[in-house]
Amino acid sequence: AQTVTQSQPEMSVQEAETVTLSCTYDTSENNYYLFWYKQPPSRQMILVIRQEAYKQQNATENRFSVNFQKAAKSFSLKISDSQLGDTAMYFCAFWTGNQFYFGTGTSLTVIP
Amino acid sequence: EADIYQTPRYLVIGTGKKITLECSQTMGHDKMYWYQQDPGMELHLIHYSYGVNSTEKGDLSSESTVSRIRTEHFPLTLESARPSHTSQYLCASSEPGPNQPQHFGDGTRLSIL
Repeated sequence: AQTVTQSQPEMSVQEAETVTLSCTYDTSENNYYLFWYKQPPSRQMILVIRQEAYKQQNATENRFSVNFQKAAKSFSLKISDSQLGDTAMYFCAFWTGNQFYFGTGTSLTVIP
Repeated sequence: EADIYQTPRYLVIGTGKKITLECSQTMGHDKMYWYQQDPGMELHLIHYSYGVNSTEKGDLSSESTVSRIRTEHFPLTLESARPSHTSQYLCASSEPGPNQPQHFGDGTRLSIL
């Protein structure tokens, strides 16, 4: 079975600080792709960052970076220099070739 | 911003009514998806399509049906709504290829009385 676990339902971080959101997954597939999506309140879900499982180098997109540990099946998201606009639900997901599997989400609040 | 649109944004309706949730995208994507999202829960795939005249059921059992007569349009229909159908429904589309992210609509929040 394919599962995604986000063990932190809610988190908060002070503006300009760094926060890490955790994600673990389980799959028997060897080739897959990992994603973090952001869903601001009452707004569209958008892609934050993606990682190919066959790549060892961790993906980085400006203030967002991941720590991908394939053996541990862990895919955490680090947000540096947190901004008020980062307040949102964050969903971890992976794609195996047939469909996406999503975690339950982490609600992040950036405190001014 | 992704060019994928869902209507209505909110719908409150009585039990037994037939409902169609609309989803359209202007990006020419072949792949389209419908997810059900309850508060604090993960997104559950209920239907997907890989192109015109192609529809498949997802992991989550659903009493809804979908159609894909045109590339840009992927409506979801509930023939007879029940309170258990109360949820948020998200439509998404993506380009072909394994590394292509999904583009999501704003969602339809459905409440069945």
